[in-house]
Amino acid sequence: GAVVSQHPSWVICKSGTSVKIECRSLDFQATTMFWYRQFPKQSLMLMATSNEGSKATYEQGVEKDKFLINHASLTLSTLTVTSAHPEDSSFYICSAHGLAGVLAKNIQYFGAGTRLSVL
Amino acid sequence: GESVGLHLPTLSVQEGDNSIINCAYSNSASDYFIWYKQESGKGPQFIIDIRSNMDKRQGQRVTVLLNKTVKHLSLQIAATQPGDSAVYFCAENPSGGYQKVTFGIGTKLQVIP
Repeated sequence: GAVVSQHPSWVICKSGTSVKIECRSLDFQATTMFWYRQFPKQSLMLMATSNEGSKATYEQGVEKDKFLINHASLTLSTLTVTSAHPEDSSFYICSAHGLAGVLAKNIQYFGAGTRLSVL
Repeated sequence: GESVGLHLPTLSVQEGDNSIINCAYSNSASDYFIWYKQESGKGPQFIIDIRSNMDKRQGQRVTVLLNKTVKHLSLQIAATQPGDSAVYFCAENPSGGYQKVTFGIGTKLQVIP
């Protein structure tokens, strides 16, 4: 099956610093990746859609200058939380679609998530 | 409408019994639905999917039922095992393509040994 690797799995940082989270598709190429945020005991909330070679599409209410997304290659998307504050502490999850013909295109494959704790 | 963040309902089931997890979706134009399983501290894992031109689909120990009239999905797990303990989310995709999916609230399944 398809593997999506997310790194780091857990990060603790000081308030005001920036944190970068990587999402890699290991055995397939992903033209589209998604970034989600999940609070404890709640559902996944889509933050943005990351498209290879173009600007990300952000959901309403998500600050694009706060959550920088870069999708420079078909196997890597990054989410940078800039000037992190305690309220940014959350579980961040990425997912990826494969190219048609390689995988069942309607299925999103998810990374294991990154737990961010901002002190 | 979009799913909102609410606290998860919990379903407790005795090991060996069948589990039924329900989900109401919001978009009548959605033509593709997926069930995901999320274990604690991990990302969601695909379980089974169904298209809107079907009302039932079976997998290994799991069955998904779709009632488009009332916009309702259910996931049935046969002979529930401790390893089935997780949070289960239904998700809807408006067109079945590469577009975003909208996740439901989720249900926490607790299997009692």
